Amino acid sequence: NAGVMQNPRHLVRRRGQEARLRCSPMKGHSHVYWYRQLPEEGLKFMVYLQKENIIDESGMPKERFSAEFPKEGPSILRIQQVVRGDSAAYFCASSPGGPTSSGANVLTFGAGSRLTVL
Amino acid sequence: SQQGEEDPQALSIQEGENATMNCSYKTSINNLQWYRQNSGRGLVHLILIRSNEREKHSGRLRVTLDTSKKSSSLLITASRAADTASYFCAHGEQTGANNLFFGTGTRLTVIP
Repeated sequence: NAGVMQNPRHLVRRRGQEARLRCSPMKGHSHVYWYRQLPEEGLKFMVYLQKENIIDESGMPKERFSAEFPKEGPSILRIQQVVRGDSAAYFCASSPGGPTSSGANVLTFGAGSRLTVL
Repeated sequence: SQQGEEDPQALSIQEGENATMNCSYKTSINNLQWYRQNSGRGLVHLILIRSNEREKHSGRLRVTLDTSKKSSSLLITASRAADTASYFCAHGEQTGANNLFFGTGTRLTVIP
């Protein structure tokens, strides 16, 4: 079981370019979450997706950011026209189906994609 | 904000001592979880406590939950140098979807 796979691990972009970050969830997991972590800070929730559906995108900036989790293939977090403030580590996590009877939901995280905007 | 808060922000102790980290949150929760992050790596789940539980143990970890105060604590006993990491609490809310909201983290350094 390869766990949650994220790529690229490191990505360098110039201002105005596009960044695409990919996440393959753990085998058997159908829920994907994206978080952003600035240096020395905690994780900020961005978006939560199930296959072909965005469940909660309340943490995602309204402009330039989008996410998808197609029926086939990895989840993709796309940042258009990147700015220096987008430099951060972006973590993907996955979980198996819906909540348990107690609502518990344990996430398995990938190693992260570190975006640097020059 | 749905993000929790933790204190202290940083903690430095000698190997063998106990480490206590605290977490506060603002909403009604289904459960509260603690995760660990080694520098430059992803987070790893440590322990989960449900809203109807008050205390839980796992090896050298002890977690308490006080829903009336909206707070939790993580105790690591007999710390080791390998425990050096950042520790985050995360809560799942009673309403809404499955996503977790993380605290700001405590950076623990265990000195050999």
